[in-house]
Amino acid sequence: GENVEQHPSTLSVQEGDSAVIKCTYSDSASNYFPWYKQELGKGPQLIIDIRSNVGEKKDQRIAVTLNKTAKHFSLHITETQPEDSAVYFCVIMNRDDKIIFGKGTRLHILP
Amino acid sequence: KAGVTQTPRYLIKTRGQQVTLSCSPISGHRSVSWYQQTPGQGLQFLFEYFSETQRNKGNFPGRFSGRQFSNSRSEMNVSTLELGDSALYLCASSLPSSGANVLTFGAGSRLTVL
Repeated sequence: GENVEQHPSTLSVQEGDSAVIKCTYSDSASNYFPWYKQELGKGPQLIIDIRSNVGEKKDQRIAVTLNKTAKHFSLHITETQPEDSAVYFCVIMNRDDKIIFGKGTRLHILP
Repeated sequence: KAGVTQTPRYLIKTRGQQVTLSCSPISGHRSVSWYQQTPGQGLQFLFEYFSETQRNKGNFPGRFSGRQFSNSRSEMNVSTLELGDSALYLCASSLPSSGANVLTFGAGSRLTVL
């Protein structure tokens, strides 16, 4: 069935440096690729999304790139700040419209 | 604009019992979906309701069920609880369109089964 692999599972970066999280997926009919951020004690929150008719989208310090041929999409966070510490999830939707989350990446921003 | 409200936030049950969780979506959102979050399995899709009808279902046993009311509020029920059902149950609402939707999540209901 549909699957999405997310790497790394844990990532520690120095404050001010960049963080990159990557997701690869198997044969998917999805044309929508969102990223969610989950802070402690809260539900996930959409931070950025991309549709398959574009290759890159940027929103201030956050960007997402999509390579549909290679079946992967990545989240890029530049100039990381302490409030970026959280768990990040990539999401795909399979051909049955079922939502599939990656396993998550725990991002630690080091002072 | 109020967010997605889930009740109760925390609850403790024993094996064999049943539990009902409630979710009030954002006003105007007619689609409600439910997810189970555990450290081992991550976030897994349970089911989605739209206009009081189950539109999609994940790979969970029949002990997990749900429903949606005419005001779009939704409940999920787990019967004959097992230890492995201990998890954070998240509800998300979205606008009434098919395909790619932005999900707005509640804070979740943390269930502990003893």
